This record gives sequence, structure tokens and C-alpha cells, in this order.
Amino acid sequence: AAGVIQSPRHLIKEKRETATLKCYPIPRHDTVYWYQQGPGQDPQFLISFYEKMQSDKGSIPDRFSAQQFSDYHSELNMSSLELGDSALYFCASSSLLERGKETQYFGPGTRLLVL
Amino acid sequence: SQELEQSPQSLIVQEGKNLTINCTSSKTLYGLYWYKQKYGEGLIFLMMLQKGGEEKSHEKITAKLDEKKQQSSLHITASQPSHAGIYLCGADFYGGTSYGKLTFGQGTILTVHP
Repeated sequence: AAGVIQSPRHLIKEKRETATLKCYPIPRHDTVYWYQQGPGQDPQFLISFYEKMQSDKGSIPDRFSAQQFSDYHSELNMSSLELGDSALYFCASSSLLERGKETQYFGPGTRLLVL
Repeated sequence: SQELEQSPQSLIVQEGKNLTINCTSSKTLYGLYWYKQKYGEGLIFLMMLQKGGEEKSHEKITAKLDEKKQQSSLHITASQPSHAGIYLCGADFYGGTSYGKLTFGQGTILTVHP
């Protein structure tokens, strides 16, 4: 079965650079969630999209922005990178119509290292 | 998150032993998800519970949700080294500004000695 795809899997950037993370949800899933997991921490919700519209916003810095495109893939854009942005970034997808069913699946994550 | 407390933080067991991980919510749950994570890797979906009193099993792992839908437990029977990893509970709370976003517990690091 198709899973959530994230690219790149690993990314190394310098401080103050920009980064773009991509997420391709499971087919027919209309909702995408982005999470950030720092070293030794639990995943923290950043932002979510439903049907290409932002549906919720968590602890996402103003330096970050995201969007969901017409094919439902999503991109997380990160600017003016800081050392503290080094983390695992997960994307998850689900179907709103099937909320409560076992449909929230996570991608393998993008490991971002800021030097 | 203080909304979701997971215990214990770490667990070391001998192979073949049973173990239980608990997840307690300060709010009523719409759904409770259990994931397993190898260090630095993705979250592997284990089970999702929604109905009060619900219990699900997969192989040697059983998860339960209490009647009040505020506490869940994950029980592993006859643990094996392959069960080692980080177990995370994720809560989908009632209300809020969007559906389905998860708040995670702090995770339980499970080590199984052969």
C-alpha cells in the first residue's frame, strides 16, 4: 500500500539559509499535518491543511510557511534557519471523512541539520 | 505535553516478560493513537482506539481505552528484542480548531534484553 512520502530524507543547511521540505500524502487523503521532533522530544504539531486551506496552526515560527497544492502535496518552507531548527520533520496525512478510523499515517521524516 | 502524560519514561525488561505502558489525558479523547518509533526514524502506526472500553490486539500487543476515554494502556505479552523502541501515544482531542491533529505524550523508551 502507498505510504506518505517525504523528501528529502536528509538535509544539511547553514544558518540563515532556506530549506523546503516536501510531503506527498497517501492517495485520497485530503488532510496534511506537519510535526517537528527535536532530539529526545515528542513530535510537536506545526501546521495542518485540509483541502488546500490551512486548517490549524501550532507552534510554528513566523520564519516558516507552508502550503498544500492542488494535487494535495504539501511543502514546508523554512527561512533564516537557526541552529535550533535542527530536528526531524514529519508529515502525516489523513482523510477528514474517515476521522476516527485508522487513517493517520506518518511519513519517514526529513532530518534537518543546521550548521 | 501536560495534556497527555505517558508512563513510564523508560522500561527495561528481560525477553519473555510482559509489560504495560500507560497514557493519561487531562481531556476527553476523540481518539487515541499508539505509534512505535525507532530512534531517529519514522512513526509506525500500531493501533487507534476511539470507543470507551475499546480493546484492540495485534500479535502480542494489546491496547485498551478506558470507559471515560481519558486513559489508555498498551500491553506487550512475552516481549521480544524486536519490540524495543520508543512508544508514543498521540491524542486527538474533542473540540479544538481542527480535526485529527495529534498531541503526543513524552514517549516510553523500551529496552528488551535477550
